[in-house]
Amino acid sequence: DIRVTQSPSSLSASVGDRVTITCRASQSIGNYLNWYQQKPGKAPNLLIYAASSLQTGVPSRFTGSGSGTDFTLTISSLRPEDFATYYCQQSYISPLTFGGGTKVEIK
Amino acid sequence: QLQLQESGPGLVKPSETLSLTCTVSGGSIRNNNYFWTWVRQPPGKGLEWIGSISYSGNTYYSPSLESRVTISIDTSKNHFSLKVFSVTAADTALYYCARRVRGGMVASGTWFDPWGQGSLVTVSS
Repeated sequence: DIRVTQSPSSLSASVGDRVTITCRASQSIGNYLNWYQQKPGKAPNLLIYAASSLQTGVPSRFTGSGSGTDFTLTISSLRPEDFATYYCQQSYISPLTFGGGTKVEIK
Repeated sequence: QLQLQESGPGLVKPSETLSLTCTVSGGSIRNNNYFWTWVRQPPGKGLEWIGSISYSGNTYYSPSLESRVTISIDTSKNHFSLKVFSVTAADTALYYCARRVRGGMVASGTWFDPWGQGSLVTVSS
């Protein structure tokens, strides 16, 4: 199985901060990497697919980058509604696997 | 707008079978570009892909669950279902259904969008 490791597992930030979350795959996965946001009590919501493509309706302050084994999700200027848990997920090979999540909390 | 809704018992006894159905509305389940998928999330933990099914009935399962899981589809009812056999407390989780989208010529890989709201299943006697 491809292991997907996210870091950090949690972070504290303030509104307006630039936030970067990292995802590392245990082997090269090209750009077969997606990002989701999950708020408490809600289902995950797709933000970024294929490493850098912004899902329709998702604000442009979210950007994804990377290829191979190393990927990042960046929030350019944190908004109050962005406090949530973020997951990356690889679709290069079955079984499809998720990172452990990064919880973004209010400082 | 496509919507998915899980339904099924919230409590299952150990060693019995967990059964859930996902009803798709706002669009047809008959589409070669999608796989219909189950993902679960134990309380306070991360996400685990269980498996997917195409509208023609081709199934893809996580090896860790394959021996205890069956996913089926009923295109006439526009829904798909999950069965997990011989459950234990470790199967207690929020179970989500989701549409898995093929990137095809547009983008690499597949991704999950949209998701149902989730159905909490507790395994307990």
